[in-house]
Amino acid sequence: NAGVMQNPRHLVRRRGQEARLRCSPMKGHSHVYWYRQLPEEGLKFMVYLQKENIIDESGMPKERFSAEFPKEGPSILRIQQVVRGDSAAYFCASSPGTSAFDEQYFGPGTRLTVT
Amino acid sequence: DAKTTQPNSMESNEEEPVHLPCNHSTISGTDYIHWYRQLPSQGPEYVIHGLTSNVNNRMASLAIAEDRKSSTLILHRATLRDAAVYYCILRDVVLTSGSRLTFGEGTQLTVNP
Repeated sequence: NAGVMQNPRHLVRRRGQEARLRCSPMKGHSHVYWYRQLPEEGLKFMVYLQKENIIDESGMPKERFSAEFPKEGPSILRIQQVVRGDSAAYFCASSPGTSAFDEQYFGPGTRLTVT
Repeated sequence: DAKTTQPNSMESNEEEPVHLPCNHSTISGTDYIHWYRQLPSQGPEYVIHGLTSNVNNRMASLAIAEDRKSSTLILHRATLRDAAVYYCILRDVVLTSGSRLTFGEGTQLTVNP
């Protein structure tokens, strides 16, 4: 049973470009979470999605960031017009959604570098 | 979210037990205590969780104080692979579906050979 998959594992973008980060949850999981870890900082929640719905986006920056989890295909975290401060590790996690405190399974992360 | 307090760092020797403490004096009756860890350059992974009673699994044990204001994660025999940042996290069981994890600073565990 494959774990949570994220791609790309490393992404380099120039300032002003767009970054698209993909997350394929574990088989049978319908809940996806995105977290960001800035250099030398802790993990911060960004957004929680179920299929075709954003449940909690209270951790998302107000501008340039968006997330989706379509009926088919992976969840996408999109960052428009990237700036150097967006350089971080972005982790996706999934859970089956059977209870409020399901274990979350994390992917290996995408390390975004903005030059 | 109820707050947790952990030491910034701890050190252990290989094959010795490790006790990682966590204080959560403002815990509510519906908060579960969860532990995750993050190995270097990897995503976090679940370790264990509990509500009131002590819990054991293949990775670790969780000892919860009677008043639930503190807990201790116990690694019975530390290995080099256990070197990681350990996070103690409270999660509200009342929520009907899904909830974010609120990570604090965690405890950086160093294991000496």
